Amino acid sequence: ETGVTQSPTHLIKTRGQQVTLRCSSQSGHNTVSWYQQALGQGPQFIFQYYREEENGRGNFPPRFSGLQFPNYSSELNVNALELDDSALYLCASSPGTSAYEQYFGPGTRLTVT
Amino acid sequence: GESVGLHLPTLSVQEGDNSIINCAYSNSASDYFIWYKQESGKGPQFIIDIRSNMDKRQGQRVTVLLNKTVKHLSLQIAATQPGDSAVYFCAENRDTGRRALTFGSGTRLQVQP
Repeated sequence: ETGVTQSPTHLIKTRGQQVTLRCSSQSGHNTVSWYQQALGQGPQFIFQYYREEENGRGNFPPRFSGLQFPNYSSELNVNALELDDSALYLCASSPGTSAYEQYFGPGTRLTVT
Repeated sequence: GESVGLHLPTLSVQEGDNSIINCAYSNSASDYFIWYKQESGKGPQFIIDIRSNMDKRQGQRVTVLLNKTVKHLSLQIAATQPGDSAVYFCAENRDTGRRALTFGSGTRLQVQP
């Protein structure tokens, strides 16, 4: 177990709705990165949060946004859900902003109908 | 990219044999590489990492080899066990800020008892 937790484990939403996913980082880790893993694909980087600010972003539209809290936990928000947003959403915590030692949580499976 | 669970390259080995999983990476500027194991319905699990100033690194039953000349990475698993059955991903830190991991095509490892 990595110590990274995510909630909820599964979620079903309707197209056009909004969703919030949550992640608690491993003890001692101050950085959280979010990834999207579509069915049949490897994870793709969405963005990273450090010191409560976005610190790098992948090729995802602005309707994907996030927050980081003083305790280093993080939220991923997706607005105006589309069918293609159906995926496993993974968060990874790390002791710094580099890609070193990113440990993943179990993920949240989002289904958009 | 390749699919996780769908049309994935598959390596089938007998229990007790050694397994070798290969990965080609694209960016010669990448200086950090990780192997992850992902079981069905779970997040990627860190196996072993290697920095570009090394050619080989060993862990418990696993060895990673890095050939920078041909941009090739391999994961060797000794005495493969049924519990090793999973999808394996290599990842590199090829983005400019070295914050994100870029995942390669996954390989499904099937261990026959």
